Amino acid sequence: GQQVMQIPQYQHVQEGEDFTTYCNSSTTLSNIQWYKQRPGGHPVFLIQLVKSGEVKKQKRLTFQFGEAKKNSSLHITATQTTDVGTYFCAGSKAAGNKLTFGGGTRVLVKP
Amino acid sequence: GAVVSQHPSRVICKSGTSVKIECRSLDFQATTMFWYRQFPKKSLMLMATSNEGSKATYEQGVEKDKFLINHASLTLSTLTVTSAHPEDSSFYICSARDYASGRAGSGELFFGEGSRLTVL
Repeated sequence: GQQVMQIPQYQHVQEGEDFTTYCNSSTTLSNIQWYKQRPGGHPVFLIQLVKSGEVKKQKRLTFQFGEAKKNSSLHITATQTTDVGTYFCAGSKAAGNKLTFGGGTRVLVKP
Repeated sequence: GAVVSQHPSRVICKSGTSVKIECRSLDFQATTMFWYRQFPKKSLMLMATSNEGSKATYEQGVEKDKFLINHASLTLSTLTVTSAHPEDSSFYICSARDYASGRAGSGELFFGEGSRLTVL
């Protein structure tokens, strides 16, 4: 079945530094979504990427969808303590279809 | 954005009892809801897709008789963990898409707050 993998599993970042988390699918995706889950909370939608090679920005967050639509990345610049949480990517093989979640990248920020 | 509410947020029960968790879409109608299970510091594992007015679609390895899902209305899906055992202790989260508002095109999932089940 479809597998979605994320690396790294854990990311310890010094406040102010940049980091990137990567998402890889075993199959070609129709779209990929990113969610953030704060400690003790529930996942909250961040963004969806649909087009091959698509790049979207949300303030300090930059999301990219690979040309082959099998991988994605999330890059955060100038990390802040509010960025703490687990970032999940989730892929779908068809629009409106069920999502398969990656294992998540747990981000800890050192002040 | 659309709101999905889960109840209860926490439940502790004795082994062998059944527990019902409710998932409601508060400001939209959800023909489809999804139930996930999440272990500590782990990812979300899709358990089943709940379809309004019909049987749920379970993922491979999920026991249908153990995790009963009912989606009797467009705003309510329930998950009943039957004859719960300590290994069923977990965080259960539901989610839904809001198709009517036009946001369905984004495919965005709205998650409930989750229900933490502890079976003694």
